[in-house]
Amino acid sequence: QLVLTQSPSASASLGASVKLTCTLSSGHSSYAIAWHQQQPEKGPRYLMKLNSDGSHSKGDGIPDRFSGSSSGAERYLTISSLQSEDEADYYCQTWGTGLGVFGGGTKLTVL
Amino acid sequence: QVQLVESGGGLVKPGGSLRLSCAASGFTFSDYYMSWIRQAPGKGLEWVSYISSSGSTIYYADSVKGRFTISRDNAKNSLYLQMNSLRAEDTAVYYCARGTAATLWGQGTLVTVSS
Repeated sequence: QLVLTQSPSASASLGASVKLTCTLSSGHSSYAIAWHQQQPEKGPRYLMKLNSDGSHSKGDGIPDRFSGSSSGAERYLTISSLQSEDEADYYCQTWGTGLGVFGGGTKLTVL
Repeated sequence: QVQLVESGGGLVKPGGSLRLSCAASGFTFSDYYMSWIRQAPGKGLEWVSYISSSGSTIYYADSVKGRFTISRDNAKNSLYLQMNSLRAEDTAVYYCARGTAATLWGQGTLVTVSS
């Protein structure tokens, strides 16, 4: 079964970096994922598509502070030079034949 | 301007029906798969359905299979979601999105199922 696992919460200080993790279920380590950001009271915004080899393609206007990487079944979103507007929920997503799956989301608090 | 704009949400009684629409602009709609994704109040995102660029391939989440129908009209750059036999647990903001990776999101339309 295709499942994405995310930690419910994370925190980091203003100006620091944070690395969020999305883990693919067993047998699905080759899958690409997408990262999405949802700021409070707003709709989601596409950040990037991240492949198993770590290559990624970002959405229009996404700052260079956002980057992605991969290791095995883990997919990472790193945000550097944290700003207050980065406080948001971050969701990973994947898809296969006949289905789409979202992780439960990580709520990022910028201290 | 590249955008998706949903419409058609509202308040409906359990067992009722509603049809959502999504108007696309600024990109070649007929080149893309399209998706519907929903978010219940205070909850995470849930994939609902997607449709291939031609409309020939369609998939649904188990939670809506047999009750919801996705369709598209490439001549009108529009995506639709017909929702029948609505339940309280279908209450959510419904988003249309471009592609299976949701590379572009609409602003969402709220569907409330309540008596």
